[in-house]
Amino acid sequence: ETGVTQSPTHLIKTRGQQVTLRCSSQSGHNTVSWYQQALGQGPQFIFQYYREEENGRGNFPPRFSGLQFPNYSSELNVNALELDDSALYLCASSLDHYEQYFGPGTRLTVT
Amino acid sequence: KNEVEQSPQNLTAQEGEFITINCSYSVGISALHWLQQHPGGGIVSLFMLSSGKKKHGRLIATINIQEKHSSLHITASHPRDSAVYICAVEYPDKLIFGTGTRLQVFP
Repeated sequence: ETGVTQSPTHLIKTRGQQVTLRCSSQSGHNTVSWYQQALGQGPQFIFQYYREEENGRGNFPPRFSGLQFPNYSSELNVNALELDDSALYLCASSLDHYEQYFGPGTRLTVT
Repeated sequence: KNEVEQSPQNLTAQEGEFITINCSYSVGISALHWLQQHPGGGIVSLFMLSSGKKKHGRLIATINIQEKHSSLHITASHPRDSAVYICAVEYPDKLIFGTGTRLQVFP
């Protein structure tokens, strides 16, 4: 049984660019949640996908969008990157709405 | 006011000490999570609680639903316990996280 994996590990982008982050769920899990963690802060909920549908969204602008695939892996897309988007992006998978298992995160730096 | 409050923010201890980290929340929840985050970012789920108490090795987590309060205890602390401990409360569609407690255990 593989755990939650995320790619890439680190990423540097320029302001205004677009980025796609990827998350592979733990085997058997059908729910993926994405979180943004700024330096020194606790994670903030971005959105959750359940069986390929968005199932809840935090206070993030529409330029943060997501997708969940039939194999329950997921992507987080961020358009028109801003400097404040620099953060650690975490995904977590779960079966239905039970305990979440976190990936190692993708550290995004926007310059 | 944050929905999830943790205390203390920072904690230092000598190896072997008993550690307590507290978490309070403001509205009813379906469950509460205790998470551990090491430098570099990886988060490990320690406990998920909806009532009572859970124990895993030297870690004990308790929750009082009526008082909207949870505690994480570490017995016989060890330098490898040094990490940020995060409390997160669960609603049907999301987790709300506290800002974390940074624990340093010195030999």
